[in-house]
Amino acid sequence: NAGVMQNPRHLVRRRGQEARLRCSPMKGHSHVYWYRQLPEEGLKFMVYLQKENIIDESGMPKERFSAEFPKEGPSILRIQQVVRGDSAAYFCASSPLISSPRDGYTFGSGTRLTVV
Amino acid sequence: SQQGEEDPQALSIQEGENATMNCSYKTSINNLQWYRQNSGRGLVHLILIRSNEREKHSGRLRVTLDTSKKSSSLLITASRAADTASYFCATDGGSGNTGKLIFGQGTTLQVKP
Repeated sequence: NAGVMQNPRHLVRRRGQEARLRCSPMKGHSHVYWYRQLPEEGLKFMVYLQKENIIDESGMPKERFSAEFPKEGPSILRIQQVVRGDSAAYFCASSPLISSPRDGYTFGSGTRLTVV
Repeated sequence: SQQGEEDPQALSIQEGENATMNCSYKTSINNLQWYRQNSGRGLVHLILIRSNEREKHSGRLRVTLDTSKKSSSLLITASRAADTASYFCATDGGSGNTGKLIFGQGTTLQVKP
């Protein structure tokens, strides 16, 4: 069981470029959650997806950010026209159940985005 | 102030001592979870306590929950240098069904050998 896999681990983008972050959930998990962590802060919820559906995107910035979880392949968090304020660690978590899982959520190691 | 605030922000102790971290939250909850994050790494789930539970143990970890005070504490007994990490509490904000966790700012624990 490979756990939640995120790639790349580190991503450097120039201002105005696009960033694509990938998350492959644990085997058997069909629910994916994206969180953002700014330096010295806790994680902030961004979006919750099931296969081919966005369930809750209340934490997503209104512009430039989008997320998908296609029927096949990993979940993608896409940031268009990145700005320096997008520099952060982006974490993905997965779970097998819609309700609070008994054992908590499994997080990936994150993608550290640096915008220069 | 935010849901799930930890106190203290930073804690430094000697190996073998106990470490206590506190967390306060604002809304009703179905459960509260504690996570550990080593520097530059992802979060590792430590323990989940449900709103109808008052205390839970897991190895050297002891978690208490006081829903009347909307607070929780995490006690790590007989600390080790390997316990050095940031610790976060997270609540479900009462939703229970969306996977939308509300994290605190975290407590940075340093255990000196």
